[in-house]
Amino acid sequence: QVQLQESGPGLVKPSETLSLTCTVSGDPMSRGVYYWSWIRQHPGKGLEWIGYTATNGKTYYNPSLKSRLTVSVDKSKNQFSLNLTSVTAADTAVYYCARGRQSFGPSCKFDTWGQGTLVTVSS
Amino acid sequence: DIQMTQSPSTLSASIGDKVTITCRASESVSTYLAWYHQKPGKAPKLLIYEVSTLESGAPSRFSGSGYGTQFALTISSLQPDDFGTYYCQQYSTYSPLTFGQGTTVEIK
Repeated sequence: QVQLQESGPGLVKPSETLSLTCTVSGDPMSRGVYYWSWIRQHPGKGLEWIGYTATNGKTYYNPSLKSRLTVSVDKSKNQFSLNLTSVTAADTAVYYCARGRQSFGPSCKFDTWGQGTLVTVSS
Repeated sequence: DIQMTQSPSTLSASIGDKVTITCRASESVSTYLAWYHQKPGKAPKLLIYEVSTLESGAPSRFSGSGYGTQFALTISSLQPDDFGTYYCQQYSTYSPLTFGQGTTVEIK
């Protein structure tokens, strides 16, 4: 059974870059058609899709974050990563990595999630 | 963006009750609608996708219905493990994928 685990700093200074990695275990990332995804949840709030990468490296981003966002995949390590630049306090959230199972084209629902990691933006 | 609006925001019900949560899309999402359940401090879990298909391992007391812009999640007989927050998600368009604001279910 596939499992996902986020890792990265829990505290980032304003204007710096938030970097997280998700390690996938239990199945090679290259098997099947999945979209390796990042989703965040502001404290006490709902879910916000950030973006995802297909196994072939093609990426899809939320337009509201696109200018600051890079999601990339390293199939050799069975990992994918998130980089969000120029962060502010508004980027403080729990960040989840998730596996998106394809429905059609690049649209998907999320069938497996990491446990989430809280990232606080503060000086 | 396609806006997803859930109602109610909070509901309180007793064990054994039938519970229904609704989700309305600002434009048609066809059948590309999923439901998730999140307990406090935990990641969401996929319950239902494509409106009414039960995810493997999800209890059969959960069911989904609807099409286009109006959807519902029904719990046929509320159980103690069902407390938490439920979210709908549309994936008719990925630009962007969007979630409802959530419905919190409390056990009386």
